[in-house]
Amino acid sequence: RKEVEQDPGPFNVPEGATVAFNCTYSNSASQSFFWYRQDCRKEPKLLMSVYSSGNEDGRFTAQLNRASQYISLLIRDSKLSDSATYLCVVNGVNTPLVFGKGTRLSVIA
Amino acid sequence: GAVVSQHPSWVICKSGTSVKIECRSLDFQATTMFWYRQFPKQSLMLMATSNEGSKATYEQGVEKDKFLINHASLTLSTLTVTSAHPEDSSFYICSASYTSGVKNFNEQFFGPGTRLTVL
Repeated sequence: RKEVEQDPGPFNVPEGATVAFNCTYSNSASQSFFWYRQDCRKEPKLLMSVYSSGNEDGRFTAQLNRASQYISLLIRDSKLSDSATYLCVVNGVNTPLVFGKGTRLSVIA
Repeated sequence: GAVVSQHPSWVICKSGTSVKIECRSLDFQATTMFWYRQFPKQSLMLMATSNEGSKATYEQGVEKDKFLINHASLTLSTLTVTSAHPEDSSFYICSASYTSGVKNFNEQFFGPGTRLTVL
């Protein structure tokens, strides 16, 4: 089983739609969880951290379910500029970051 | 925020040649730098962790004699791909951290990446 698994997509959604991505991780000792955004041929950039209590940043909401080892990202009111690949990233204590392969989102006008 | 640069941003070379990629932290001192590789439609894979003034720690399956890493100063780490072959063609990304030896995401700042194509 891969350490971090994501549906590769692509998710093709119209502007204004709400879209949700899921991610599962295999290492129950994982401590930190993040969503990154990566544009084509660019480096990944931090979108948001994910906490057990859930966190929201504008149109983006992230949730963590430790019991199910499951992380989610919800994007409301999608914009064309949201088109990118979204990477689920997991980290333990003094262990390397582990990246998922990413979920590709395409927002269509 | 902390800025990390990479040079070159892209490079094309012939098979058998060596290519050096530089990673610089522009406005902070990076005690630890990380080198990643990303193949098309694949996830970022950590290649090695480099602490200033000491030998790099390579991840399993990464040949240390092929991918030479030097971290001679607090603001510069270099990755040299020796005797490059077409299968080494990839996107190489570095990141830099404030804290020595701690692979904590919150402290990692990514460079823009270097796209290597080996003919």
